[in-house]
Amino acid sequence: KNEVEQSPQNLTAQEGEFITINCSYSVGISALHWLQQHPGGGIVSLFMLSSGKKKHGRLIATINIQEKHSSLHITASHPRDSAVYICAPDNTDKLIFGTGTRLQVFP
Amino acid sequence: DAGVTQSPTHLIKTRGQQVTLRCSPISGHKSVSWYQQVLGQGPQFIFQYYEKEERGRGNFPDRFSARQFPNYSSELNVNALLLGDSALYLCASSLIPNYGYTFGSGTRLTVV
Repeated sequence: KNEVEQSPQNLTAQEGEFITINCSYSVGISALHWLQQHPGGGIVSLFMLSSGKKKHGRLIATINIQEKHSSLHITASHPRDSAVYICAPDNTDKLIFGTGTRLQVFP
Repeated sequence: DAGVTQSPTHLIKTRGQQVTLRCSPISGHKSVSWYQQVLGQGPQFIFQYYEKEERGRGNFPDRFSARQFPNYSSELNVNALLLGDSALYLCASSLIPNYGYTFGSGTRLTVV
């Protein structure tokens, strides 16, 4: 069993839809990161969470430490949100990456 | 302010050769981590350095080595290259370990 499981693996949405990506992990963590990776490889850090909820623009991330679960929500999705979204728990000074969720948003 | 800079951006090497990849962290960041991302997979942790000391090492063979310099820049060396070493190599810097990461754009290594 993988230490980090993301769902869904692939997601297609129409512009304006509300998107949810889920992440479950089995390791102990000091924090959890949500990252965005565009074609070509560049990775952008979206959130670092250790508890509760954070919001940045149309993005919201939540984490439940007891249940070892985190979610990333995108409100009013837009084609420019199309990318791979990666959940990465921070485990003793290293990130453990999930395989990512490939999101495509169509106009 | 410059972000994390990696060089070169692309590299083609032959099996058996050696390669050195370079990373310059954000100014003021003292921790650098290296990750390998094989096509279609999530990145895998290789090394973390903080204040020029190795703090963590992933499950990679001894052909992989790294170091951090007094200016906090870092080099990743891979000896005796194998076809399976073909990947995107990502560098991430942080102020201190466990305090947020900024990623470079990566070095894409192709071994032929």
